[in-house]
Amino acid sequence: DAGVIQSPRHEVTEMGQEVTLRCKPISGHNSLFWYRQTMMRGLELLIYFNNNVPIDDSGMPEDRFSAKMPNASFSTLKIQPSEPRDSAVYFCASSGDRAYNSPLHFGNGTRLTVT
Amino acid sequence: GEDVEQSLFLSVREGDSSVINCTYTDSSSTYLYWYKQEPGAGLQLLTYIFSNMDMKQDQRLTVLLNKKDKHLSLRIADTQTGDSAIYFCAESITDDMRFGAGTRLTVKP
Repeated sequence: DAGVIQSPRHEVTEMGQEVTLRCKPISGHNSLFWYRQTMMRGLELLIYFNNNVPIDDSGMPEDRFSAKMPNASFSTLKIQPSEPRDSAVYFCASSGDRAYNSPLHFGNGTRLTVT
Repeated sequence: GEDVEQSLFLSVREGDSSVINCTYTDSSSTYLYWYKQEPGAGLQLLTYIFSNMDMKQDQRLTVLLNKKDKHLSLRIADTQTGDSAIYFCAESITDDMRFGAGTRLTVKP
């Protein structure tokens, strides 16, 4: 299995631009999570999906952030417009069966820099 | 408290044992996990323990769970330079997973 695949690995953009991060979960997993990691705040859960349906988006910072999961093999996290404080590493993770009763498998992350 | 707590740093010499400690929050946690993060990579699942166990051994890794004190530890035997990384403790509860801030393990030759 290729694991969770995220793209791009690095993204550098200017403030105000739209950014789209992509994730392909492990085949057969039905829960998908988006996390953000910064030195100051550590790992923060942004949103998670179960069977393609958003279950908990309470961690999404504000309306500039949106996430979709149009099918079981693909999810996007979009930031529009981006701001310098959005600079972080964004991780996607997936798990099987029930959301938190099986281990999360993480992708290698997208390092976002907003200048 | 509300947070999963870990020491931020640990330094050991190559060949010694490392013990990374974690205090978690919820006595109803079902699974407790240890993840390893190397530079530029995601979190890699190392091992996990179900809450009805008190010990799990997997090659050089030993996990100890003290449910009474809500304390979890990860022991790495014969620590190698390749073990240098950040180690995260995490607890899973029905509708949540909480991560500690991570312990940065440095292995000196």
